[in-house]
Amino acid sequence: DVKVTQSSRYLVKRTGEKVFLECVQDMDHENMFWYRQDPGLGLRLIYFSYDVKMKEKGDIPEGYSVSREKKERFSLILESASTNQTSMYLCASSSPGTSTHEQYFGPGTRLTVT
Amino acid sequence: GESVGLHLPTLSVQEGDNSIINCAYSNSASDYFIWYKQESGKGPQFIIDIRSNMDKRQGQRVTVLLNKTVKHLSLQIAATQPGDSAVYFCAVMNSGYSTLTFGKGTMLLVSP
Repeated sequence: DVKVTQSSRYLVKRTGEKVFLECVQDMDHENMFWYRQDPGLGLRLIYFSYDVKMKEKGDIPEGYSVSREKKERFSLILESASTNQTSMYLCASSSPGTSTHEQYFGPGTRLTVT
Repeated sequence: GESVGLHLPTLSVQEGDNSIINCAYSNSASDYFIWYKQESGKGPQFIIDIRSNMDKRQGQRVTVLLNKTVKHLSLQIAATQPGDSAVYFCAVMNSGYSTLTFGKGTMLLVSP
């Protein structure tokens, strides 16, 4: 069974802290994605990666960075957390070699910045 | 870039009714569309997809209709059950890196 796991379900951090959100997939997928989900706004793409050490900005990259040192792991970094980054963060992965472009999602990390 | 619009934020139906959830997209060159279901406390899960060379595709109790002329997509759920209660998102694939643009979602509430 395919699986995307995220390091924490809930996280509370203080303003100004550096925050790491980790995502691991076991499907040998090339593509990995980070989204944030806010009420009334749907899912918005922050960053994605189509290969190890490669990254591309999504629609809302400001205040975030990412790291992909291994194929199975994609990290989202908040360099200096702010209250407007309180949100649900979702990681996903997909393989461009399949007939569908289905993205498989993790369960999400609910981050609160106080 | 692509934008994906929401027609209705919430849809309430009775158990056994048919449900229709709508979505509109902006880019006439879009060629791949997906519907996702997100239950409370979980990540979105794939339901069904459709390519632009089709106008209808059926799954188990679900049908997706694509009208390219008006750039409209709909998800039909037959004989809606309480377990169908969730937020439903449509997503449109962008060219290039296989990224998706998501709509804002419709919350489907099914009452017994």
